[in-house]
Amino acid sequence: KQEVTQIPAALSVPEGENLVLNCSFTDSAIYNLQWFRQDPGKGLTSLLLIQSSQREQTSGRLNASLDKSSGRSTLYIAASQPGDSATYLCAVSLASGGSYIPTFGRGTSLIVHP
Amino acid sequence: NAGVTQTPKFRVLKTGQSMTLLCAQDMNHEYMYWYRQDPGMGLRLIHYSVGEGTTAKGEVPDGYNVSRLKKQNFLLGLESAAPSQTSVYFCASSYSAGGPYEQYFGPGTRLTVT
Repeated sequence: KQEVTQIPAALSVPEGENLVLNCSFTDSAIYNLQWFRQDPGKGLTSLLLIQSSQREQTSGRLNASLDKSSGRSTLYIAASQPGDSATYLCAVSLASGGSYIPTFGRGTSLIVHP
Repeated sequence: NAGVTQTPKFRVLKTGQSMTLLCAQDMNHEYMYWYRQDPGMGLRLIHYSVGEGTTAKGEVPDGYNVSRLKKQNFLLGLESAAPSQTSVYFCASSYSAGGPYEQYFGPGTRLTVT
């Protein structure tokens, strides 16, 4: 069974810092990995999706990398802003069995203070 | 496109009452999912569907039933609500036909069972 772990569980940084959120998974035979953002009381918003054949994806100040061999993905946020405060979740879908059902980590709660 | 919508947004039930949560998507997605999110437990998959007329159990299916009579709709039913079912419920959908299986989430339904 795929297990997804996100470290740290919580992070508080001053505005302007570059930061890295980590996601690790136990089964490297993945189909894709998706990073989400969740604001308090809201649903999940997709940030980036990395296919198993890709090494990284970028969107604005966000960069997500994937290393299947080590079972890790990182989400890099450049020049953090208070508006980046949210919970960030990663979800990993396996290719085996044909179901492609994602397994979620418990998230990293990020606070960026002015 | 409205994306994924959920009805209702909030609901309070008494123990033993029944209700149905409706999820609708207008992206012609094959896959649809129901999750519950509880503090400290993360997102847990209740049931999912890989196509019209098909459903399957997820991680925590007990006490819930689902139906997918139309491709765009996925219904979650609680036949006899219990306080343990107090939670925030999220619906999601994703595309098939070769992937990439990117998930899109609805805004959630906050359910309280007293």
